[in-house]
Amino acid sequence: RKEVEQDPGPFNVPEGATVAFNCTYSNSASQSFFWYRQDCRKEPKLLMSVYSSGNEDGRFTAQLNRASQYISLLIRDSKLSDSATYLCVVRSGGYQKVTFGTGTKLQVIP
Amino acid sequence: DVKVTQSSRYLVKRTGEKVFLECVQDMDHENMFWYRQDPGLGLRLIYFSYDVKMKEKGDIPEGYSVSREKKERFSLILESASTNQTSMYLCASSPHGGEQFFGPGTRLTVL
Repeated sequence: RKEVEQDPGPFNVPEGATVAFNCTYSNSASQSFFWYRQDCRKEPKLLMSVYSSGNEDGRFTAQLNRASQYISLLIRDSKLSDSATYLCVVRSGGYQKVTFGTGTKLQVIP
Repeated sequence: DVKVTQSSRYLVKRTGEKVFLECVQDMDHENMFWYRQDPGLGLRLIYFSYDVKMKEKGDIPEGYSVSREKKERFSLILESASTNQTSMYLCASSPHGGEQFFGPGTRLTVL
């Protein structure tokens, strides 16, 4: 089983739609969780950290479910500019090493 | 503004050549990382460093080595490049426990 798994998509959604991605992780001792965004031919950039209580940043909501070992990202009122690949990232153990998922591609359609 | 720079955006080398990829960060971060990114495989960690002269193997260190002589600089070395090392190479830095900041990447082609 992969350490971090994501549905690669693509998710094709119309503008204004709500879309959600999940990401599962295998190490129950994982400590920190993040969502990164990567535009085509660009480097990944942090979208948001994921806190145990869940957190929201504008149209984006991230949640953590430790019991089922997954994190989620919800995007409301999708914009064309949200089209990108969304990478789930998990930090485990005492090291600074993190593990990236392979990403979920989102395409928002006019 | 935070900045991670990589020495080249595009690089073409021949099989057997020694290749140096340089990464510099200006944020005084303790940690630095080298990844490669391939379609369908995502980002895979090659090596990381949590301090000057310290290094740890990542998930795919074979065929690579690294050097960190100064805090701001982390070099990736391909001792003898092979065609299966054709990839996008991304460098990142982070403070302990913090967000990773990525450089723009180097697209390496080995012929």
